[in-house]
Amino acid sequence: DIQMTQSPSTLSASVGDRVTITCRASQSISDWLAWYQQKPGKAPNLLIYKASSLERGVPSRFSGSGSGTEFTLTISSLQPDDIATYYCQQYKSYSGGTFGQGTKVEVK
Amino acid sequence: EVQLVESGGGLVQPGGSRRLSCAVSGFSFSSYWMGWVRQAPGKGLEWVANIKQDGSEKNYVDSVKGRFTISRDNAKNSLYLQMYSLRAEDTAVYYCVRDRDAYTYFDHWGQGTLVTVSS
Repeated sequence: DIQMTQSPSTLSASVGDRVTITCRASQSISDWLAWYQQKPGKAPNLLIYKASSLERGVPSRFSGSGSGTEFTLTISSLQPDDIATYYCQQYKSYSGGTFGQGTKVEVK
Repeated sequence: EVQLVESGGGLVQPGGSRRLSCAVSGFSFSSYWMGWVRQAPGKGLEWVANIKQDGSEKNYVDSVKGRFTISRDNAKNSLYLQMYSLRAEDTAVYYCVRDRDAYTYFDHWGQGTLVTVSS
């Protein structure tokens, strides 16, 4: 099974900061990776698919990059509305893919 | 507008059963793979099961194989998850999800329904 490891587990940043979250796969997944945002008490929301494709309606301050085993989600300028937990998901090896353990983004 | 609305959650005793439903609107339900993802309290996301458009293919995470059954009724635009032999570790919010394109990522999620397994 492919394991996904996110870092850091928690991130504290100020509004306006550039924020980067890393997701590592235990083996190559090409670019079969998605990112989700989950706000407290809400369902997750798709941000990025195929490692770097921005889902329609998602603000352009979000971007994704990487391939193989290492991926990043970047928020170019953190906004108060971005306070959430972020999850990566690989979908190369199915069924259902594997999620990372999550990265909680807090305001400093 | 795409909507996925789950129902059927609640308190159930260990060893008991429960059936979750997901009513779908706003897209052609019969054209998409669908699935269930769960989240234990304070924990991360775990894919549970998925089902092909015509119901001919179904997949499950190992921990629920033989206990859970996913099904769909395309005439009713509805997805189901029948859960048997429930355990404490099945306690979670269960989300109904739409798979963008067979064995990929989930582009729409319901609001979730909480299943609590406890005596």
